[in-house]
Amino acid sequence: GAGVSQSPSNKVTEKGKDVELRCDPISGHTALYWYRQSLGQGLEFLIYFQGNSAPDKSGLPSDRFSAERTGGSVSTLTIQRTQQEDSAVYLCASISPEDTQYFGPGTRLTVL
Amino acid sequence: DQQVKQNSPSLSVQEGRISILNCDYTNSMFDYFLWYKKYPAEGPTFLISISSIKDKNEDGRFTVFLNKSAKHLSLHIVPSQPGDSAVYFCAAKGGTYKYIFGTGTRLKVLA
Repeated sequence: GAGVSQSPSNKVTEKGKDVELRCDPISGHTALYWYRQSLGQGLEFLIYFQGNSAPDKSGLPSDRFSAERTGGSVSTLTIQRTQQEDSAVYLCASISPEDTQYFGPGTRLTVL
Repeated sequence: DQQVKQNSPSLSVQEGRISILNCDYTNSMFDYFLWYKKYPAEGPTFLISISSIKDKNEDGRFTVFLNKSAKHLSLHIVPSQPGDSAVYFCAAKGGTYKYIFGTGTRLKVLA
């Protein structure tokens, strides 16, 4: 497709379960960000992948959060032992060579 | 510590009038600023940007102004249209900093 896609669009899970969120960036974009947006908040940086460099994980809120990017393309964000405060919209963005971010539609995560 | 601040959570403007959205930042290392627009259930979309070597950038109805001494930028939309109703985020980056986003301003353009 032409844009960034994310799946699932909505995820409802029970506290303590693990979830995996997927991002398919635009083909050819070498950099990718994950953000989350909690209710009434701005976009909170989580993790940044750039080419083959080690990812910048400085925004991950706890060790329950991890992300990987396979083959420099698809990325998955995994949250283990989910907590209610993890409820948010998780957005990924792939970065064009001109340094413009193209966002996916997001995954709305609800932890009951 | 909020490095990028949008102090107005919402703004209502009559159709045809000017909308002015404001954004303040604290980090003098920021040298590139962007505005994004977000409709419900969609990801933010890039609107317009400005680098710190400029003080104004214009694209159609959208103009971004940068006042480096005041660490302030603003987005002007003129004339405002009902389809402009959305949440607008400003973002900044520079130095070793990644994109830092504000909390957004919800613009409502009244027909």
